[in-house]
Amino acid sequence: EAQVTQNPRYLITVTGKKLTVTCSQNMNHEYMSWYRQDPGLGLRQIYYSMNVEVTDKGDVPEGYKVSRKEKRNFPLILESPSPNQTSLYFCASSLSGRQGLYEQYFGPGTRLTVT
Amino acid sequence: SQQGEEDPQALSIQEGENATMNCSYKTSINNLQWYRQNSGRGLVHLILIRSNEREKHSGRLRVTLDTSKKSSSLLITASRAADTASYFCATLNAGGTSYGKLTFGQGTILTVHP
Repeated sequence: EAQVTQNPRYLITVTGKKLTVTCSQNMNHEYMSWYRQDPGLGLRQIYYSMNVEVTDKGDVPEGYKVSRKEKRNFPLILESPSPNQTSLYFCASSLSGRQGLYEQYFGPGTRLTVT
Repeated sequence: SQQGEEDPQALSIQEGENATMNCSYKTSINNLQWYRQNSGRGLVHLILIRSNEREKHSGRLRVTLDTSKKSSSLLITASRAADTASYFCATLNAGGTSYGKLTFGQGTILTVHP
């Protein structure tokens, strides 16, 4: 089954404790991206990757890191989480071609609480 | 205002009625996409319309794009209670250094009453 998986689905952590949220897709998609969703603010893009070893900042990259060493994986790293990073996080992937990006496939989301 | 801004923020209708949601954006785009989200779950893709297209249909959905006005609309015909969800538009930048940047609007919350 074609899908995007994220782990963990729920996480409660404390300020300053490094964490990684994993994202994996099995559709051989070139493009992958991370978003955070907050009430009243919609989805905001954190980082995106056009392909392996190619990443770029979205609208809200501060406090986050990403890497794309393999095509299928795109982990999101919070080196020193703070309470303002409490949010619902989504990973997504899509094909990328000459006509641009195609529809995004979203993971189920990771609900992160930083105390 | 943000790129990919939706209007109205909330829409409440009766089953069987049509629902229209609008999206406005500011920069040149490669394509515009509409998504649906049920209560905190992952987003599901509905329709993608490219900058050189003016209208697309998918079942009960109709999307229009007016690049001169930098706006798009999503029409859901003969709505059902199961259409109750949040609907988002997302714009993909046309190119340049920010190509690949996908910007979502804040969404329209649609409630369809049985």
